[in-house]
Amino acid sequence: AQSVTQPDIHITVSEGASLELRCNYSYGATPYLFWYVQSPGQGLQLLLKYFSGDTLVQGIKGFEAEFKRSQSSFNLRKPSVHWSDAAEYFCAVTGTASKLTFGTGTRLQVTL
Amino acid sequence: DVKVTQSSRYLVKRTGEKVFLECVQDMDHENMFWYRQDPGLGLRLIYFSYDVKMKEKGDIPEGYSVSREKKERFSLILESASTNQTSMYLCASILSGSEEQFFGPGTRLTVL
Repeated sequence: AQSVTQPDIHITVSEGASLELRCNYSYGATPYLFWYVQSPGQGLQLLLKYFSGDTLVQGIKGFEAEFKRSQSSFNLRKPSVHWSDAAEYFCAVTGTASKLTFGTGTRLQVTL
Repeated sequence: DVKVTQSSRYLVKRTGEKVFLECVQDMDHENMFWYRQDPGLGLRLIYFSYDVKMKEKGDIPEGYSVSREKKERFSLILESASTNQTSMYLCASILSGSEEQFFGPGTRLTVL
């Protein structure tokens, strides 16, 4: 069965600092991978996705993620964090029938 | 823009009540999903539907049922609400053949 692990429950970074959120997945075939963001009181918004091809994918709001098959990882990065990036971030993998399996989320706090 | 709407943002019900959560999408998507979101557990799939009158169990269907009488509407039903069903409920839809799910804003249900 597919699964996703986000090892960091909570991360705090200073505004302007770089960010990396970790995601490891388990899936038997080539995965489709996603990062979603959830701002307080909001639904989930797609940041970026990986289906195939270039392993470095660019998303919205200046985020990028790199797919590393050998490490079963899909880490999310941003070179310079803004206070508005404070939110909860979810990594997800999809298998058959468009069913998404989510990680438990990483809550990002940004200090000014 | 795809829009997924949920009938209530906040709902308070009593133990034993029958509860209906409604979800409507306006983009003619075939597939619709209900998730519940709990701290530390991420999002877990309750039920999904590929088409009108079709439904499939997700990972945690116990205590829930669903109804899909029209393509745009997918209802989650708690036959007899219990306190352990207090949670945030998120609806999503996706066009068949696509891999990007669009999420509603969520309904925060409290069962007293």
